[in-house]
Amino acid sequence: NAGVTQTPKFRVLKTGQSMTLLCAQDMNHEYMYWYRQDPGMGLRLIHYSVGEGTTAKGEVPDGYNVSRLKKQNFLLGLESAAPSQTSVYFCASSYGRDEQYFGPGTRLTVT
Amino acid sequence: GQSLEQPSEVTAVEGAIVQINCTYQTSGFYGLSWYQQHDGGAPTFLSYNALDGLEETGRFSSFLSRSDSYGYLLLQELQMKDSASYFCAVNRDDKIIFGKGTRLHILP
Repeated sequence: NAGVTQTPKFRVLKTGQSMTLLCAQDMNHEYMYWYRQDPGMGLRLIHYSVGEGTTAKGEVPDGYNVSRLKKQNFLLGLESAAPSQTSVYFCASSYGRDEQYFGPGTRLTVT
Repeated sequence: GQSLEQPSEVTAVEGAIVQINCTYQTSGFYGLSWYQQHDGGAPTFLSYNALDGLEETGRFSSFLSRSDSYGYLLLQELQMKDSASYFCAVNRDDKIIFGKGTRLHILP
């Protein structure tokens, strides 16, 4: 039981490049979330999903897109990366509205 | 809108008790959660209060008062490994909104 995994762990992008972050969970959870964490800002919700085929916007969705084609996977896309998107990205999943399980994070630097 | 306020830093002595407060301005939420995060690590779940009152899990306890829009996390018998950041979060609709976190420093 791997829990929540994220790919890649580290990435450096140039401004304007695109990339996709992959989150996978093997706990059969309905809910999945993408957060970004910046120093002093806590965790801010980017997008979330309440089930396969559904997505919704969080607090800071601009510049990101997501897809949940399979229940176990939640993809976060950056179409045209900007330096302001330099951050640590965490994926999380949950069965209901209480305990969330987090992945190890992806450290993204945009130069 | 919704916002959560918690102290940015708290310092305590090993073996002591420390309380981390969280006040919030939101309505219609399901409950208050607490998460711990060590440097370089991922947040891990500590506790969840769906109802008013105290929830106890080992050395950690969490409290919620909806009438006062207030909650706290109580850590007893502090150990050096408790040095971390602690986040309160409100569960509202289908998402969780986090506070900015409290950095707990523990002195030997």
